[in-house]
Amino acid sequence: GENVEQHPSTLSVQEGDSAVIKCTYSDSASNYFPWYKQELGKRPQLIIDIRSNVGEKKDQRIAVTLNKTAKHFSLHITETQPEDSAVYFCAAPLTGGSYIPTFGRGTSLIVHP
Amino acid sequence: DGGITQSPKYLFRKEGQNVTLSCEQNLNHDAMYWYRQDPGQGLRLIYYSQIVNDFQKGDIAEGYSVSREKKESFPLTVTSAQKNPTAFYLCASSALGLAGAYEQYFGPGTRLTVT
Repeated sequence: GENVEQHPSTLSVQEGDSAVIKCTYSDSASNYFPWYKQELGKRPQLIIDIRSNVGEKKDQRIAVTLNKTAKHFSLHITETQPEDSAVYFCAAPLTGGSYIPTFGRGTSLIVHP
Repeated sequence: DGGITQSPKYLFRKEGQNVTLSCEQNLNHDAMYWYRQDPGQGLRLIYYSQIVNDFQKGDIAEGYSVSREKKESFPLTVTSAQKNPTAFYLCASSALGLAGAYEQYFGPGTRLTVT
């Protein structure tokens, strides 16, 4: 099955700094890579995703980059704000007609005001 | 917060008792999933179902059982065979389309405590 490694497990930054979280995956057939944000006490919610036919996708202060050759993808948050503090999860799916995602262990991002 | 609901939010049980967690969705999604969340462990897949009356084991299915009698409902039973059942349980659903509509929608979760 798919193996997803996520780093770092904890990331502490000052407000206004950038934050980068990286995930690696093992299944070269994977073609969809989402990022979820889980605020304390709340449910995970999709914040951005990328498909294997593009290398980068941006949405305001967040971006995701994908390197299919190296089998890794990263979440970039610029100009971080305290409300960005949350746990972020990446996922990579087993595909081929089904969608069975394997999640990374999560990164706890702390943005200090 | 509509779309996918879980009940109850908190559940307390004595060791040795089976307990069933509810998950309902009105998104007309074909696929439904159950995850267990423990600190530092991410989201681990317990069971998933892609169609009514069919479901598959995930990575940590031992001690759990599910049913999928209706498209909208995917209840999870935590049996007494589950050695460490205290955890936060999340249900999710997603559409399965040719374009790969893979976004998962999560419920609010049920925190189960077994003593």
